[in-house]
Amino acid sequence: DSGVTQTPKHLITATGQRVTLRCSPRSGDLSVYWYQQSLDQGLQFLIQYYNGEERAKGNILERFSAQQFPDLHSELNLSSLELGDSALYFCASSLGTSGPKETQYFGPGTRLLVL
Amino acid sequence: GQQVMQIPQYQHVQEGEDFTTYCNSSTTLSNIQWYKQRPGGHPVFLIQLVKSGEVKKQKRLTFQFGEAKKNSSLHITATQTTDVGTYFCAGRDNYGQNFVFGPGTRLSVLP
Repeated sequence: DSGVTQTPKHLITATGQRVTLRCSPRSGDLSVYWYQQSLDQGLQFLIQYYNGEERAKGNILERFSAQQFPDLHSELNLSSLELGDSALYFCASSLGTSGPKETQYFGPGTRLLVL
Repeated sequence: GQQVMQIPQYQHVQEGEDFTTYCNSSTTLSNIQWYKQRPGGHPVFLIQLVKSGEVKKQKRLTFQFGEAKKNSSLHITATQTTDVGTYFCAGRDNYGQNFVFGPGTRLSVLP
């Protein structure tokens, strides 16, 4: 158990819909990362927050948005969903943003299926 | 932008054989991290390398960071069935903001 929690574990929805994925980082971690992993694919970095501020942006679609709240939990919002958005979405957290503090601890993931 | 590649994409070995995966970045990395993802699981941190030419060992696993800090390798001696999974390298370059994962090497170990 990494200490990172993600809800829900599974999500089934229809095209065009909007969903929100939630992540609670490890106690003490200030940074949260979001990744998308499609079937048998690698990890695509979406976005990173540090202490409530956006720190880095990867290959995140305009239909997707995220935020980190004052209590450091984070939400990833996916809208106008398409079939190709079906994937495993991982959240990871780290103490900081450089060196050993950048070690990332991953949550169990949310599996999204868009029908 | 920064690109991180890994070879091979897949590797099937007989239990007891050695295994090596190589990671190459298009840009110089400030550090490199290795993660392992078991089938159906989430990535788990293995190690971080920071210094040029650094070598670290964890039991049967040996990690190396290249002198130019653009490549790295993970070597497993005498693989076991518990080594099955996908091994990812990841790093942040000295100029960019993004943390990039390689595509991973999927290891299968036949008993």
